Amino acid sequence: GENVEQHPSTLSVQEGDSAVIKCTYSDSASNYFPWYKQELGKRPQLIIDIRSNVGEKKDQRIAVTLNKTAKHFSLHITETQPEDSAVYFCAADSGGGADGLTFGKGTHLIIQP
Amino acid sequence: DVKVTQSSRYLVKRTGEKVFLECVQDMDHENMFWYRQDPGLGLRLIYFSYDVKMKEKGDIPEGYSVSREKKERFSLILESASTNQTSMYLCASSSPGLALETQYFGPGTRLLVL
Repeated sequence: GENVEQHPSTLSVQEGDSAVIKCTYSDSASNYFPWYKQELGKRPQLIIDIRSNVGEKKDQRIAVTLNKTAKHFSLHITETQPEDSAVYFCAADSGGGADGLTFGKGTHLIIQP
Repeated sequence: DVKVTQSSRYLVKRTGEKVFLECVQDMDHENMFWYRQDPGLGLRLIYFSYDVKMKEKGDIPEGYSVSREKKERFSLILESASTNQTSMYLCASSSPGLALETQYFGPGTRLLVL
């Protein structure tokens, strides 16, 4: 089955700086890679996703890059703000669409004022 | 707006009790999922269902079962609760289509087994 590794487990950055979270996956058949943000006490919410037919996707301050050859994908947040503080999870599908997602263990992002 | 609801936010049960966790979605989604979330382990898939009365084991199905009698409702059952099942349980749903794998999560049920 799929295995997703996520680094770092904790990331502290100064407000206004950029943050990068990296994930690797094992199943070359995976073709969908979402990122979820979970604020304290709340449900995970999808913030951005990428499919295997593109290498990069941007949405305002958030971008995701995918390297299928190396089987890794990254989340980039620019101009970080206090409200970006949360736990971020990367995930990969199991190649079958409806077969559920395999999640990384999460990154606790802390924005220092 | 997709709405996924779970029957309880907090639940306290005793070892050996049978526990039912209910999840309901109102978007006519075919696919529904149960995850458990533990600190340092992320979200792990317990069971999923892609149609009424259909179920598939996820990564950690031991000690759990599920029921999908209606399309909108997916139940997670702990036949005999144990202390190592103390966790946050998250339900999710998705629908085949343009956003094939995008999953929408419920608010979670925090279960404590004493």
